[in-house]
Amino acid sequence: DGGITQSPKYLFRKEGQNVTLSCEQNLNHDAMYWYRQDPGQGLRLIYYSQIVNDFQKGDIAEGYSVSREKKESFPLTVTSAQKNPTAFYLCASSTRTSSGGNEQFFGPGTRLTVL
Amino acid sequence: AQSVSQHNHHVILSEAASLELGCNYSYGGTVNLFWYVQYPGQHLQLLLKYFSGDPLVKGIKGFEAEFIKSKFSFNLRKPSVQWSDTAEYFCAVNAGMNTGFQKLVFGTGTRLLVSP
Repeated sequence: DGGITQSPKYLFRKEGQNVTLSCEQNLNHDAMYWYRQDPGQGLRLIYYSQIVNDFQKGDIAEGYSVSREKKESFPLTVTSAQKNPTAFYLCASSTRTSSGGNEQFFGPGTRLTVL
Repeated sequence: AQSVSQHNHHVILSEAASLELGCNYSYGGTVNLFWYVQYPGQHLQLLLKYFSGDPLVKGIKGFEAEFIKSKFSFNLRKPSVQWSDTAEYFCAVNAGMNTGFQKLVFGTGTRLLVSP
């Protein structure tokens, strides 16, 4: 059963702690993405990776870090430098073509609450 | 920078009413356009997409959207909504296609509530 898994579904952390959100896909997709969803703001791109061992900053990368050591995995670390980390985080993946015209598939999301 | 505008933030309809959600984008080049839907407690999933060809595209669950290039619009429609259509709807535009990388720019979303 192919898809994208994110864990955990809910995460609570104290202010000042780093936290890592997991994202795994078994769709054999080259590209993976992290978005942040806040009420009334839609989805905003944090980081993306087109291929293993390569990733680029999205629109709101400050306070976040990622790694892409394996094709199927793209973990996101929310660092203590992120000023407003409480949000719903979505991971996505897509195939990579020269035309760029492929849909993205999304995971179920992780709701992070920083206390 | 590319942007996507969804002017209706909240929409409340009765069952069987017709639906039209507006989406406008700002990008002068060739675009791919998407509507995604997020049902309560579920994954964000693709409703329909436009890549090329017929500007009227049909998606799942009776939804359709029309790409009007001259108006930079991609409005979502459904002739008769059901209670199960209660969800949040996101319009998205593919930017950066020439690089082979699909960056999606999302609108802020429209929350639809359908009352039985």
